[in-house]
Amino acid sequence: DAGVIQSPRHEVTEMGQEVTLRCKPISGHDYLFWYRQTMMRGLELLIYFNNNVPIDDSGMPEDRFSAKMPNASFSTLKIQPSEPRDSAVYFCASSHSGTGYNEQFFGPGTRLTVL
Amino acid sequence: TQLLEQSPQFLSIQEGENLTVYCNSSSVFSSLQWYRQEPGEGPVLLVTVVTGGEVKKLKRLTFQFGDARKDSSLHITAAQPGDTGLYLCAGEYTGGFKTIFGAGTRLFVKA
Repeated sequence: DAGVIQSPRHEVTEMGQEVTLRCKPISGHDYLFWYRQTMMRGLELLIYFNNNVPIDDSGMPEDRFSAKMPNASFSTLKIQPSEPRDSAVYFCASSHSGTGYNEQFFGPGTRLTVL
Repeated sequence: TQLLEQSPQFLSIQEGENLTVYCNSSSVFSSLQWYRQEPGEGPVLLVTVVTGGEVKKLKRLTFQFGDARKDSSLHITAAQPGDTGLYLCAGEYTGGFKTIFGAGTRLFVKA
């Protein structure tokens, strides 16, 4: 398996622009998580899905952030409009409930820089 | 807000030394995972502990889950430069798949 795939790996944009981050989870995994990592705040859970349905979006910082999972093999995290304080590394992770535990497999991350 | 506190935040040691990293919370977790993250990559799962008092070994790494399932420790014996990285603990809340991560311990092992 190729593992969790994220694109792009790096994104540099200007304040006010729309940013879309993409994730392909591991095939067969029924949970998908979006995280944001910064030096100041560490790894923060933004939202997670189970069987393509959003379960908990309490970590989404503002209405500028939205996430979708139209099918089991694809998810997007959108920021509109972007702000400099959104600069961070965004990770997608997936897991399979069959193990009984939330053992997550992370993608390589998208490093977002908002100028 | 339920927190998972890790200590120390940063550790720099010589190759061959032993070290212990701690992960503490006031919450009870159904399971706890340890991950290691290297620069430019995502965290990679090392181990899951489930039962209070459980001890798991992974080569030179020993993981322990507290009796009350609120805390955990990671002990590395004879550290090597390849152990360098950010070690993260993650507690899974009872009744769901939601997980909270600690801030991490950044380990640097000098040759």
